[in-house]
Amino acid sequence: GNSVTQMEGPVTLSEEAFLTINCTYTATGYPSLFWYVQYPGEGLQLLLKATKADDKGSNKGFEATYRKETTSFHLEKGSVQVSDSAVYFCALRPEKLVFGKGTKLTVNP
Amino acid sequence: GAGVSQSPSNKVTEKGKDVELRCDPISGHTALYWYRQRLGQGLEFLIYFQGNSAPDKSGLPSDRFSAERTGESVSTLTIQRTQQEDSAVYLCASSLVPGAYEQYFGPGTRLTVT
Repeated sequence: GNSVTQMEGPVTLSEEAFLTINCTYTATGYPSLFWYVQYPGEGLQLLLKATKADDKGSNKGFEATYRKETTSFHLEKGSVQVSDSAVYFCALRPEKLVFGKGTKLTVNP
Repeated sequence: GAGVSQSPSNKVTEKGKDVELRCDPISGHTALYWYRQRLGQGLEFLIYFQGNSAPDKSGLPSDRFSAERTGESVSTLTIQRTQQEDSAVYLCASSLVPGAYEQYFGPGTRLTVT
């Protein structure tokens, strides 16, 4: 079956620190991969996506590269801001979205 | 334009009561999805509609859970004889077509069963 395993939090960083949130997946075929973000008090929003191997999704300074050989889609940002504090979900979809459990990030000023 | 809306935003109910949760998808979106997010857990897929039919109900946790969609628009998720373990945030999402890359999520309904 399809599943997503992501680094469990919470993760606490200082402003301008480098962020990595690991995500690995198990899937048959060639799923699309996503990172969703849930800011405090708001609904889920798509952050970035990649639809095939070696694609890099990027948005708001965040990046993730679809690595088929390691079945990974790690989320990175070079310099986090307080406004990046949120819960981040890795997800895949051949048809329906399959989510990881979420990683709560807190960035302190 | 308007996004996905859900009502109520919060619902507190007593164990054993039935509840109905409503989702209004983005106009014109043919696919509609229900998910559940229990405290400290990831999102669990419940059911997916293509038009008014549900090709995939595999995530419904028990026969106490049912959902319908009418007019290729509004969907209602019904939970009968609620249990405390049903307490969660229930999220609805829609997409233009099934399998579209982006699903647009509503704000969710927080259900608390006492």
